[in-house]
Amino acid sequence: GAGVSQTPSNKVTEKGKYVELRCDPISGHTALYWYRQSLGQGPEFLIYFQGTGAADDSGLPNDRFFAVRPEGSVSTLKIQRTERGDSAVYLCASSATSTSGQYNEQFFGPGTRLTVL
Amino acid sequence: AQTVTQSQPEMSVQEAETVTLSCTYDTSENNYYLFWYKQPPSRQMILVIRQEAYKQQNATENRFSVNFQKAAKSFSLKISDSQLGDTAMYFCAFADYQGGSEKLVFGKGTKLTVNP
Repeated sequence: GAGVSQTPSNKVTEKGKYVELRCDPISGHTALYWYRQSLGQGPEFLIYFQGTGAADDSGLPNDRFFAVRPEGSVSTLKIQRTERGDSAVYLCASSATSTSGQYNEQFFGPGTRLTVL
Repeated sequence: AQTVTQSQPEMSVQEAETVTLSCTYDTSENNYYLFWYKQPPSRQMILVIRQEAYKQQNATENRFSVNFQKAAKSFSLKISDSQLGDTAMYFCAFADYQGGSEKLVFGKGTKLTVNP
């Protein structure tokens, strides 16, 4: 079946602009995660959704970053007033319903490479 | 907070030989999972192998195996019979067992090159 998809694949924007990055999870997956991978680093957690609600947004770096998942499927990561330091690959992952005591594998999308000039 | 350390930024190995990638981690939790992910140039993270902390037996998946030392908080990956397609970034990752947000904490990665 279809995996996690992310659009666009690449996004170039200018400092100060607003951007939206989209994630389409695997059908039926209720858990959705956003990670940010800066050059030469491992991915860093940003936010986790269980269904429509953000269950853990402790990784969002500041209030310029916001994410939504209004219908519990597609998610959009929104970045306001972009800065050059926001340049990174933004990865999305989804997994089946999270159950205490049971790990559900996260399946990753190919990421969106954001470049802020 | 949990941390994951990969002390080898780059490694290389000859095709068909064996290579071991190192990983250490720090946590106060007793129940957790550890993972090795592969990231080729396509950027897609692919799960290679996982280990539940409560299991003493080391996980194996075909040519991939781990050496899990819970007391030492060490989790190394051994790749046997290395193939050209194994060339990629490899990330060690941690997730705690609590359910809810099973966010992954990643190391900085090791770039593995398999030479013909």
